[in-house]
This record gives sequence, C-alpha cells and structure tokens, in this order.
Amino acid sequence: AQTVTQSQPEMSVQEAETVTLSCTYDTSESNYYLFWYKQPPSRQMILVIRQEAYKQQNATENRFSVNFQKAAKSFSLKISDSQLGDTAMYFCAFIPTGTASKLTFGTGTRLQVTL
Amino acid sequence: SAVISQKPSRDICQRGTSLTIQCQVDSQVTMMFWYRQQPGQSLTLIATANQGSEATYESGFVIDKFPISRPNLTFSTLTVSNMSPEDSSIYLCSVVVGSPTDTQYFGPGTRLTVL
Repeated sequence: AQTVTQSQPEMSVQEAETVTLSCTYDTSESNYYLFWYKQPPSRQMILVIRQEAYKQQNATENRFSVNFQKAAKSFSLKISDSQLGDTAMYFCAFIPTGTASKLTFGTGTRLQVTL
Repeated sequence: SAVISQKPSRDICQRGTSLTIQCQVDSQVTMMFWYRQQPGQSLTLIATANQGSEATYESGFVIDKFPISRPNLTFSTLTVSNMSPEDSSIYLCSVVVGSPTDTQYFGPGTRLTVL
C-alpha cells in the first residue's frame, strides 16, 4: 500500500517570501505520478503542479516548483514570491501507473500568507 | 481540463433523512469518483462511479449507505442515506478526462451538515 506523509500541519510565510512544503511517500512502484493540490477556503480543489516519476527534470508552474528526489521518495513544493491568494490547504497526492486512478492523499499543510 | 458543477453546494439535513448530490461535467470523461472530506481532514475515496454498472466501493463504504449512479459519461449522483451527524462532511466529485493516470479535476464540493 502507498502512503503519503506531510509532516508540517501548518506553516506561515510573509508576502513576497519563499516557502517550501514537504511531502514524502512510500511505495514499491517504480513508475508513478505525484501532484500538489491547493484547497483555498472556498474548498475548490485546484491542481497546482504534477510530476511524472520517470522525468528527472523538476516540474515548474510560474511561482510554483517542486524538488523531486526519487531515491529519497521526497516531493517538496516551493512557492516563490508568496501572495495572499496562496493562503490555502495544500495536499500532496500520489498515484502509481497501471491502476484505476486511485489517488492517495497526504494529510495536508495549512499555509497562511501574512502581510 | 473539465468544468465540474455540483448541486447542492451546501445543505443542512435532519438525522435519518437522505440527500442526493449531483455532479455534472461539461464534457465526456473517462472516470468519475466520489470523495469525502471530514472537517479538517484529508480526502477519502468513497467509490468509483462506473457508467452503466454498479459503482466500485472502497473499504469501509457500502452501497446501501452511499448509493451511486452514473447514467452517462457526464453525470453522476451520490446519495447519503439514513444520515447521522457523523456524515457531516464535504463531498467532492472528481473526474479524469483522458487515461486513468491523468490528472483528476475536482468539483466545488457539497458541504453537508447533519443535525
């Protein structure tokens, strides 16, 4: 069975600063996909970024980037130039290839961006 | 991606009653799922909604409690039956547009409170 661990229940960052959210996972699969989702207070789950395990290059989407360390089974999210609108719950999620799309979610990190 | 709507967005119900939640997608999708998010918690998969056949339920969820329909490729319903206060949660549907390991997109959720 796969597990996803987010060890930081809550984090805070000042506007315009950079913050890194941690995620580790446990799997025996060799090929899989990893995701970061954002859930603001409005509760809509929004995809932030997606990483394919067979790609060595770290995914980037504007101010969001990941540090994917396959050997260490680590998948951290870096948010640069934080904005007030980044305030949300962030969930790390994992899915192995060859399955029926059963995402495994971490417990989430609540990020507060302050002035 | 896909545009997903859910009805109702929120409801307050009495113990012992049932509520049906609708999920409508603006395009045909490969797979549809139903999740539960209890207060302050992560997402738990309830079931995969299969078009034209019975849903596939995860451990701990049964059809009598959470009957699901999916009559076509763009619509599904989840019923929460014989509700108790423990059923108070956010219920989200999600869809996959392409292959099973493609990104899941989520609806806005239905916030259910059971008194």
